[in-house]
Amino acid sequence: GAVVSQHPSWVICKSGTSVKIECRSLDFQATTMFWYRQFPKQSLMLMATSNEGSKATYEQGVEKDKFLINHASLTLSTLTVTSAHPEDSSFYICSARVGSGGLYNEQFFGPGTRLTVL
Amino acid sequence: AQKITQTQPGMFVQEKEAVTLDCTYDTSDQSYGLFWYKQPSSGEMIFLIYQGSYDEQNATEGRYSLNFQKARKSANLVISASQLGDSAMYFCAMRERQRGANNLFFGTGTRLTVIP
Repeated sequence: GAVVSQHPSWVICKSGTSVKIECRSLDFQATTMFWYRQFPKQSLMLMATSNEGSKATYEQGVEKDKFLINHASLTLSTLTVTSAHPEDSSFYICSARVGSGGLYNEQFFGPGTRLTVL
Repeated sequence: AQKITQTQPGMFVQEKEAVTLDCTYDTSDQSYGLFWYKQPSSGEMIFLIYQGSYDEQNATEGRYSLNFQKARKSANLVISASQLGDSAMYFCAMRERQRGANNLFFGTGTRLTVIP
């Protein structure tokens, strides 16, 4: 299957700083990329959906100014957590999808980034 | 209302035995897809199996099979001949056509532990 990478795999930062997480599709061009957040022992919650070159669509309750998403190319999307606070500590997972509109268009997941805000 | 319900927070199974992980879903869409993913402790989501709402036969992929009961809106995952490496979190997910066939909605997951 296709490979999605995330960098960094884990990050520890001080409260008030900003953190950027990169998501890359390594061997395919992703029509759509998704960002999920997963709290310990909980499910994946979709934060936002982004298509290359256009603004991300955020899910209800997700602060756009807090979680900045940039989808600069068909192989790269970034999530920036601005002015991070301890409650932002979580496991962030990106996912990339080839094609659109099809129920079975496969969605490939990155290995996740564990963010700890002190 | 929850779109995907997984009622088993944790399950135990003896090595080499079969196990069924439950999943029920809620949708008014006639066209949808159901997925199962495995998440080991490393965190990566691994695709296991897919079932389309119009598929008449239950999906199978190696040791994984999906017991699809459309009228009951259930899509249980059956793992046969469990192995120690099957110990992980398992998530059921759904994608709906009427929502643009875009977002995957995940259930809360079931933690499977395989006992030697």
